Amino acid sequence: KAGVTQTPRYLIKTRGQQVTLSCSPISGHRSVSWYQQTPGQGLQFLFEYFSETQRNKGNFPGRFSGRQFSNSRSEMNVSTLELGDSALYLCASSLENNEKLFFGSGTQLSVL
Amino acid sequence: AQSVTQLDSHVSVSEGTPVLLRCNYSSSYSPSLFWYVQHPNKGLQLLLKYTSAATLVKGINGFEAEFKKSETSFHLTKPSAHMSDAAEYFCVVRPSTSGTYKYIFGTGTRLKVLA
Repeated sequence: KAGVTQTPRYLIKTRGQQVTLSCSPISGHRSVSWYQQTPGQGLQFLFEYFSETQRNKGNFPGRFSGRQFSNSRSEMNVSTLELGDSALYLCASSLENNEKLFFGSGTQLSVL
Repeated sequence: AQSVTQLDSHVSVSEGTPVLLRCNYSSSYSPSLFWYVQHPNKGLQLLLKYTSAATLVKGINGFEAEFKKSETSFHLTKPSAHMSDAAEYFCVVRPSTSGTYKYIFGTGTRLKVLA
């Protein structure tokens, strides 16, 4: 069974631009969550989707948004990029009622 | 409020010696607790999970953790460190309240294994 796939693996953007990251969960997993990882702040929860509905949201500005499609694939979007948005963005999927999170390798975003 | 504290940001051990990574949690409800490991340039991998069935939880790669409610601790141990254990380890709490789907990650402990 294929694992969680995140694309692209690396991204370089400039301030003010927007970016879209993609996550394909493990087949059969309907929950997808997103995390931002930085050396200073560690892992911070962005949001979680289940069956195309956002169930929970972390404390990030509205520039960070996401969505989930009917096939459970998810995208997150960051608009008006800031230097501080440079981070590793991790996606995780899980089965409903199963608390184990399975993580992708992440998308490393650099904002110049 | 729920929180998790990893007491050491860096731990160094010699190969073949025991590993102890410390974690304390705060939760208003009976939480689920996890340890994850992250190797360089990789995503996180689940080591083990506690959900009240047994206080001593065995995980992969010889790791285990003991849940101590009186101390609100969930320390991760391994009897003998291998070079391949060098990585960053995260203690995670998930409050088991209805409708809560948020996982709270500790700040991580970087384990260094010396030859």
